[in-house]
Amino acid sequence: AQTVTQSQPEMSVQEAETVTLSCTYDTSESDYYLFWYKQPPSRQMILVIRQEAYKQQNATENRFSVNFQKAAKSFSLKISDSQLGDAAMYFCAYRITFTGNQFYFGTGTSLTVIP
Amino acid sequence: GAVVSQHPSWVICKSGTSVKIECRSLDFQATTMFWYRQFPKQSLMLMATSNEGSKATYEQGVEKDKFLINHASLTLSTLTVTSAHPEDSSFYICSASKDATNQPQHFGDGTRLSIL
Repeated sequence: AQTVTQSQPEMSVQEAETVTLSCTYDTSESDYYLFWYKQPPSRQMILVIRQEAYKQQNATENRFSVNFQKAAKSFSLKISDSQLGDAAMYFCAYRITFTGNQFYFGTGTSLTVIP
Repeated sequence: GAVVSQHPSWVICKSGTSVKIECRSLDFQATTMFWYRQFPKQSLMLMATSNEGSKATYEQGVEKDKFLINHASLTLSTLTVTSAHPEDSSFYICSASKDATNQPQHFGDGTRLSIL
């Protein structure tokens, strides 16, 4: 079974500071994708960043970057220069490459940005 | 690109009513769409996988007669909550991806269903 664990239900960060959200997953697959989605109060799911498991280089997207440790099955999200608009629920998600599009979501981390 | 539209965004109805929620991929064809349910401050729970032209695949514990899914075309999937009761009140979200490669899921804006 595929499981995704986010061990931090809530996190807070001072505006302009850096915060790291943790995610671990359990899988027996060797090829898969990992994603971070953001869900603001509007409830819309917004893709933040994605990582292909076969790539060793960590994905980056402007202020967002990941630390992908395949052996440890860890996929943390680092938000640099945090902004008030970053406040949201963040979900880590996992998807197997070749068996369809089904996503497995973590339980989420609620991020508060303190002005 | 890759826009998914979900309608309605909010519906309030009486107990016993059936409610239909639409999910459309506006600028791409989606052979597969997904329906999720989300309770407050919780994660997305996959309810079913909607396949164009065939029956939906339901997750364990989801009543297929309660939550009817129809995927009549490559751009439209519908979820009908039949004879809705207060316990069906929730936030329902659909998603779709362009193909089975590395494309991410694109989500609709969700539907807040409130059963009185």
